[in-house]
Amino acid sequence: GQQLNQSPQSMFIQEGEDVSMNCTSSSIFNTWLWYKQDPGEGPVLLIALYKAGELTSNGRLTAQFGITRKDSFLNISASIPSDVGIYFCAGTGGAQKLVFGQGTRLTINP
Amino acid sequence: NAGVTQTPKFQVLKTGQSMTLQCAQDMNHNSMYWYRQDPGMGLRLIYYSASEGTTDKGEVPNGYNVSRLNKREFSLRLESAAPSQTSVYFCASSDPRGPTDTQYFGPGTRLTVL
Repeated sequence: GQQLNQSPQSMFIQEGEDVSMNCTSSSIFNTWLWYKQDPGEGPVLLIALYKAGELTSNGRLTAQFGITRKDSFLNISASIPSDVGIYFCAGTGGAQKLVFGQGTRLTINP
Repeated sequence: NAGVTQTPKFQVLKTGQSMTLQCAQDMNHNSMYWYRQDPGMGLRLIYYSASEGTTDKGEVPNGYNVSRLNKREFSLRLESAAPSQTSVYFCASSDPRGPTDTQYFGPGTRLTVL
C-alpha cells in the first residue's frame, strides 16, 4: 500500500527560527494535506494542496506540492511558542483514502 | 457548529470487556472514518464509511466493528478488548463533493486496556 515517510521525526529550535519539514511518498499522490495536532486534541488542517508545483501560504506557514507528485514540504517562518505540536503530512492517491506520515514533533525553546 | 464530536473522552477497560465509541458530525458530510494513533506511528485507518449504509475496512480492522447509524453518526465497537488496543482513537468526516477529500477530526478518545 501507499506509505509516507516524514522527516525529521522531531525538531528542537529556538523561538524565532524558521522550520522546515518534508514528506516523501513511494507513489504518486493527487492531494497533499498538512495537519497540526496540539497535545490532547485531534489534528487540525493547516494547508491543502491540489496540484503539482502548487505553493500555498497560510500566515507564517508555506507548503508546496512537489512537481513529481511524490513529495511535499512545509515551512514555518519566525516560530513562536504556540507553534509547538506534532505536524502530520497526509495524502490521497487514486483510492481516495488518506494516508498519514509518522509526524514531526516540534519543540520550541523560548 | 460543533464539527466532529466523540464520546467518551477517556475510558479504561479490562481485557475482554466490550465498549462502543461514539462519533457524530453536524457538517452534513457523507464520509466518516475511524483512526487509531499510537506513538511514532501517525494515524492508521481502522474503518471508514463512504456514505450512509456502507462501511469498509481500513489498514487495521481486526478486533473492531463499526456501525453507520445514520448520516451523522458512526460508532466503533470493541467486542473483547485487548491490551494491544490501548490507543487514542479519532473519528473524522469529509465531504468528497469538495475539491479534495479533506478530513476534519474530532478531539479523540483515550482508551487504556488493562
